[in-house]
Amino acid sequence: EIVMTQSPDTLSLSPGERATLSCRASQSISTNLAWYQQKPGQAPRLLISGASTRATGIPARFSGSGSGTEFTLTISSLQSADFGVYYCQQYYNWPPYTFGQGTKLEIK
Amino acid sequence: QVQLQESGPGLVKPSETLSLTCTVSGASISGYYWSWIRQSPGKGLEWIGYIYYSGNTNYNPSLKSRVTMSVDTSKDQFSLKLTSVTAADTAVYYCARTVRDGQRWAWFDPWGQGTLVTVSS
Repeated sequence: EIVMTQSPDTLSLSPGERATLSCRASQSISTNLAWYQQKPGQAPRLLISGASTRATGIPARFSGSGSGTEFTLTISSLQSADFGVYYCQQYYNWPPYTFGQGTKLEIK
Repeated sequence: QVQLQESGPGLVKPSETLSLTCTVSGASISGYYWSWIRQSPGKGLEWIGYIYYSGNTNYNPSLKSRVTMSVDTSKDQFSLKLTSVTAADTAVYYCARTVRDGQRWAWFDPWGQGTLVTVSS
């Protein structure tokens, strides 16, 4: 099973700042990685697939990068709507698909 | 657009069977794999398994002995049964469409709103 590890667990930033979230895979997964955003009481929402391709309707301030075992989700200028929990998920090898434990992005 | 809605009991007794159904609207269930994913405070997001519209399944090895999924294409529904539940199975259960990326069945989009299932006597 591929283990996904996210860092940091919590990130406290102000609106307008740049956010950088990291995800590490326990083995190489090429670019077979997705990112999701989850707000309280809601289901996760797909942001990024293929490590860097934004999903339909996702603003350009969200960008993904990386390959192999190291991945980054960057939010260029935080808006109030961006605060929540972010998860990465690998789809290189399954079963099972696996998720990171999440990074909580909170307002400073 | 595609929408998914989970339904089923919110409370299940220990050792009994958890049963949930997901209804798909806005698109046909055909041509996709459909997944169940759960979220608990202790284990985060956990993929339970998926089912193809033809009935082919693939389950998480950690749950395989207790999981059965089925599909009803006439109703655009698919279902989950999890047997011998314990408190560790308490979670929010989501259904989601599994999206294909070339030869891989890859990410999950969209998701249902989720339903909380509590295992307690």
